[in-house]
Amino acid sequence: AQSVTQLGSHVSVSEGALVLLRCNYSSSVPPYLFWYVQYPNQGLQLLLKYTSAATLVKGINGFEAEFKKSETSFHLTKPSAHMSDAAEYFCAVSEGGSTLGRLYFGRGTQLTVWP
Amino acid sequence: ETGVTQTPRHLVMGMTNKKSLKCEQHLGHNAMYWYKQSAKKPLELMFVYSLEERVENNSVPSRFSPECPNSSHLFLHLHTLQPEDSALYLCASSQDWVSGGETQYFGPGTRLLVL
Repeated sequence: AQSVTQLGSHVSVSEGALVLLRCNYSSSVPPYLFWYVQYPNQGLQLLLKYTSAATLVKGINGFEAEFKKSETSFHLTKPSAHMSDAAEYFCAVSEGGSTLGRLYFGRGTQLTVWP
Repeated sequence: ETGVTQTPRHLVMGMTNKKSLKCEQHLGHNAMYWYKQSAKKPLELMFVYSLEERVENNSVPSRFSPECPNSSHLFLHLHTLQPEDSALYLCASSQDWVSGGETQYFGPGTRLLVL
């Protein structure tokens, strides 16, 4: 069965520090992988997605993620955190096939950025 | 208006009230979704409409009744809700429901409080 695990429900970093948000997935077929961001009182916004092209995916706002099949991981990184990055981040997986367009979401990681 | 819009943004209702949530997408998509987002829980997919036909109903109580009159509009009719139904209700759309790699675009959500 498909599932997504986000390690750490809360991550705190200082402004300018590296951001690393972890995501591991389980999938029986090659997956499609997504990172979404949710700012307070807003819906989810796509940061980036992996669809079997390059394993290093670049997204908006300086974020990127690397698909590692051997580790079943899709961790999100940003070299230098900014105060405006404070938000909740969701990793999601989709397989297509019999599950069609269903997205399976992780529980989210709340990112706090300290000045 | 662009993207996915939702009205109202906030709603307070008593357990005996009837209310409706509205979602409109301006992206020309063929699939629309209702999600429930509660604190400390993963996003829960409630309903999926593809080409105006309901194709997914994830064991949602009958007090939630969706309606999709055309490919741009989606409603969620609420009746005799319970306090545990208080949550953020998110609408989303995507190009189709069949493919696994489709990006879902989310609206800002309706924050519902049931008293």
